[in-house]
Amino acid sequence: GAVVSQHPSWVICKSGTSVKIECRSLDFQATTMFWYRQFPKQSLMLMATSNEGSKATYEQGVEKDKFLINHASLTLSTLTVTSAHPEDSSFYICSARRGGLNNEQFFGPGTRLTVL
Amino acid sequence: EDQVTQSPEALRLQEGESSSLNCSYTVSGLRGLFWYRQDPGKGPEFLFTLYSAGEEKEKERLKATLTKKESFLHITAPKPEDSATYLCAVQANTDKLIFGTGTRLQVFP
Repeated sequence: GAVVSQHPSWVICKSGTSVKIECRSLDFQATTMFWYRQFPKQSLMLMATSNEGSKATYEQGVEKDKFLINHASLTLSTLTVTSAHPEDSSFYICSARRGGLNNEQFFGPGTRLTVL
Repeated sequence: EDQVTQSPEALRLQEGESSSLNCSYTVSGLRGLFWYRQDPGKGPEFLFTLYSAGEEKEKERLKATLTKKESFLHITAPKPEDSATYLCAVQANTDKLIFGTGTRLQVFP
């Protein structure tokens, strides 16, 4: 149990275009999902926290108008990178937290975004 | 300020050479300490959660322990397939995880 998927696993786009990344919890309902960004040889940096049916909470320095997050159901959250630029190229990883007493977050396999 | 520090940054072991990875933390109100394994180009894989000082958990060649200031991930008789980056994270009074920078482990045959 506790499988999280992401789609696509990698994407290459032109500068100025928008890219949507999906995160799904496959075998549990996720009350909260999280979006992280990871640069090479660095640790995970939290971008935003997403609760089903409410607005996402963004970390300081993360532009909410650039990184649009939608958590429409208990199994799906999406991250849309709008007007992407080369500096947005990174490894984007989502995680999902089950409800209840356990606090474990289960991570997706990540999406490699390259903006040309 | 909540903080997590992992050491060493990198560790090279011979197959069968046991060792420990350290995760030191300062946090107000620890709700949980988490260990993850991350392979290159992949998302972190959950290993353990520890909730209180004195708690220990084991999984195959890995054993995680927790004190009030730090956690250790002990690797007994490692194999090359244990090579990965091991991440430690803490959860304080919010839903957020605060990650350390990780320890890159390489096990040579």
